[in-house]
Amino acid sequence: TQLLEQSPQFLSIQEGENLTVYCNSSSVFSSLQWYRQEPGEGPVLLVTVVTGGEVKKLKRLTFQFGDARKDSSLHITAAQPGDTGLYLCAGARAGGTSYGKLTFGQGTILTVHP
Amino acid sequence: NAGVTQTPKFRILKIGQSMTLQCTQDMNHNYMYWYRQDPGMGLKLIYYSVGAGITDKGEVPNGYNVSRSTTEDFPLRLELAAPSQTSVYFCASSPKRGGRTDTQYFGPGTRLTVL
Repeated sequence: TQLLEQSPQFLSIQEGENLTVYCNSSSVFSSLQWYRQEPGEGPVLLVTVVTGGEVKKLKRLTFQFGDARKDSSLHITAAQPGDTGLYLCAGARAGGTSYGKLTFGQGTILTVHP
Repeated sequence: NAGVTQTPKFRILKIGQSMTLQCTQDMNHNYMYWYRQDPGMGLKLIYYSVGAGITDKGEVPNGYNVSRSTTEDFPLRLELAAPSQTSVYFCASSPKRGGRTDTQYFGPGTRLTVL
């Protein structure tokens, strides 16, 4: 079983602060996705990283895939109350029999206070 | 284009009762998935389907059954509900490729409580 460990599980910060969420595994993934989920809704994809060492930016969010494709991080600069939500990382296995199945981390609940 | 829809949104069951959670997608996606989300546990895959008539077990299939008679619909059946099945259930779909970079599109979820 491939496991993804996310940390921290909870994060409560003030508006304007920076933060980093980590997603670690002992397994290699062919790609790593980050989702954001708001209360009462399903997860929504933020980004997919596929190459070891890849860095992607989405406005104030920076995503990085580890060189060995076993870990990833999400960094938010100058957090805003609108960033509040549950952040989930999810890894995909390679191969024709993977059928797009994802292994999810347990999530990080982020609260940004005004 | 509604995306992925799920019904009902909320349901309370008594122990031993049965029910079907409905999931429909209008994006012509071949791949569909059922997850459960427990507090602090992320999402666990229950069952998945790669096309009409083809289904397979995920990580936590016990106590559930699925069918896929059409591309659009992927219902999840709970037989003999147990308190351990109290959870939020999400249905998702993804495009035909099913490759490593495919986006999964999630429905709004069904919150189920078994008492």
